[in-house]
Amino acid sequence: AQKITQTQPGMFVQEKEAVTLDCTYDTSDPSYGLFWYKQPSSGEMIFLIYQGSYDQQNATEGRYSLNFQKARKSANLVISASQLGDSAMYFCAMREVKYNFNKFYFGSGTKLNVKP
Amino acid sequence: DGGITQSPKYLFRKEGQNVTLSCEQNLNHDAMYWYRQDPGQGLRLIYYSQIVNDFQKGDIAEGYSVSREKKESFPLTVTSAQKNPTAFYLCASTGLYNEQFFGPGTRLTVL
Repeated sequence: AQKITQTQPGMFVQEKEAVTLDCTYDTSDPSYGLFWYKQPSSGEMIFLIYQGSYDQQNATEGRYSLNFQKARKSANLVISASQLGDSAMYFCAMREVKYNFNKFYFGSGTKLNVKP
Repeated sequence: DGGITQSPKYLFRKEGQNVTLSCEQNLNHDAMYWYRQDPGQGLRLIYYSQIVNDFQKGDIAEGYSVSREKKESFPLTVTSAQKNPTAFYLCASTGLYNEQFFGPGTRLTVL
């Protein structure tokens, strides 16, 4: 089974509008972490936001927020007030600890295009 | 400035050649990783290292080798046994809060 599933290969959003990128995960561990990364065309992976499995509140970082629904195993990224510079690939990732090692699983990504 | 550097940015290899990708970090992180990314896909783990002189195979280690002689350095060698090495390679390390920091990547092309 896929550890991380991103079902939206591509998304379009109008500049200044909000957009939600979907992510579901699969784990039986009680302790895990969820991450979102942005990858522009240059290829670098830019860390956006983190949510721990025990965190009671949804994580927020500026225009980014993570809609964490633990029972549904969902960790959607919400970008408010989209900007042209937000056009990029977005990856959802999960961290599990296996044998005292942090292993990360990445989804296949969502390509976001922001239209002017 | 602290961070991860990878070199070269672009690398061209002839079939049958081994090539080595460099990864250096000055973040004082213990754990380092190598990932492979194919076009339109996510990242797949090649090798990881938790401490100096120790490393483990990831999910797609065949045709690759690594070393970890220094904390700061984790070079990846793509050997001739790797049948389809053309890809984007990303090096990463894990920080205090277990987030991953990435280098800028190396794009390898087999001619």
